[in-house]
Amino acid sequence: GENVEQHPSTLSVQEGDSAVIKCTYSDSASNYFPWYKQELGKRPQLIIDIRSNVGEKKDQRIAVTLNKTAKHFSLHITETQPEDSAVYFCTTNAGGTSYGKLTFGQGTILTVHP
Amino acid sequence: SAVISQKPSRDICQRGTSLTIQCQVDSQVTMMFWYRQQPGQSLTLIATANQGSEATYESGFVIDKFPISRPNLTFSTLTVSNMSPEDSSIYLCSVVLESTDTQYFGPGTRLTVL
Repeated sequence: GENVEQHPSTLSVQEGDSAVIKCTYSDSASNYFPWYKQELGKRPQLIIDIRSNVGEKKDQRIAVTLNKTAKHFSLHITETQPEDSAVYFCTTNAGGTSYGKLTFGQGTILTVHP
Repeated sequence: SAVISQKPSRDICQRGTSLTIQCQVDSQVTMMFWYRQQPGQSLTLIATANQGSEATYESGFVIDKFPISRPNLTFSTLTVSNMSPEDSSIYLCSVVLESTDTQYFGPGTRLTVL
């Protein structure tokens, strides 16, 4: 089955710095790559997603890049704020047949220090 | 987005008993899923809930342990059967909205088995 590797497992930055989280996947058929943010005690929330027909997508301070040849994708957060502190999960759809059947990375605990 | 509700939000159960979790969404959805999130871990897909037919289970999960029903498009139940302490987790339903083709999670059910 699909395997998603996520790095780093923890990331600590100062407010205003940038944060980058990287993921690799194994199934070349994967074509949908959403990112979720999970605050403590809350449900995962979709923050951005990218489909395989584009290489980059940006939404305000958040951007995602995709390299299908290398089978890796990354989340970039600029001008980080304390409220960005959470666990971030990269995900992808194994087999590329459904946008819902997702395989999750191990998660990155992001801490933004004021 | 959509309003996704789960009942109960949390429960403490005795070993050997069963618990049924309900998931209701207020919008048209194409797909519904059940995930498990063990303490401090990532999310793992349990099964795809299929309307009016048997659920499709992922490797490591079986119908006898996690029976799932989906009698209509917007409602599903997951039962955790013959529980043991290892079943202590957060169980989350998720849906793919017909309008956006993206996946959203319910608030989760925190289960503790003594």
